[in-house]
Amino acid sequence: NAGVTQTPKFRILKIGQSMTLQCAQDMNHNYMYWYRQDPGMGLKLIYYSVGAGITDKGEVPNGYNVSRSTTEDFPLRLELAAPSQTSVYFCASSRRAVDEPQHFGDGTRLSIL
Amino acid sequence: KNQVEQSPQSLIILEGKNCTLQCNYTVSPFSNLRWYKQDTGRGPVSLTIMTFSENTKSNGRYTATLDADTKQSSLHITASQLSDSASYICVVILQTGANNLFFGTGTRLTVIP
Repeated sequence: NAGVTQTPKFRILKIGQSMTLQCAQDMNHNYMYWYRQDPGMGLKLIYYSVGAGITDKGEVPNGYNVSRSTTEDFPLRLELAAPSQTSVYFCASSRRAVDEPQHFGDGTRLSIL
Repeated sequence: KNQVEQSPQSLIILEGKNCTLQCNYTVSPFSNLRWYKQDTGRGPVSLTIMTFSENTKSNGRYTATLDADTKQSSLHITASQLSDSASYICVVILQTGANNLFFGTGTRLTVIP
């Protein structure tokens, strides 16, 4: 059982480039989330989805976009990368929103130079 | 001011010793509180979940306590092992849904032989 799989694991982008971070889960979870983790800071929610076709903004959505065409996949798109987007990005999924734990992928480490 | 405060920021202990990590929170209405373990370079993994009515929850050598009146939680690690070296993150979840998780900044634990 793979759980939550994120690709790529590492990436270096130039300012102004775009890329998509991939996230897939095989647990048939309805809820999926994207977080960023900066040094010394708690995880910040970027976007989340409560099911296929439904997405909503979290705390820090500017500069990002998401889509949820299937239950399994929840890609995160960075448009016009900026140095402030240098971070570690985690995708997570859960069966329910409140009373069940989130399952996290191992992250994508992104540097914008 | 962070709404979930963890202390200490970092801790070094000898293998075999016990330790206690603290989490104080101010957010409400509270639904549940979780402790996650995050190994270096990996995503967080759930250790315990406690609801408002629970004041203790164990997972092997890990025991979490919760005082909802004082809004404090602790994670006690018994007979520490080298593999316990990780960051431990406290997360408070509100009743209002998927976008209301508040992450602490974590305690970095190092267990030395």
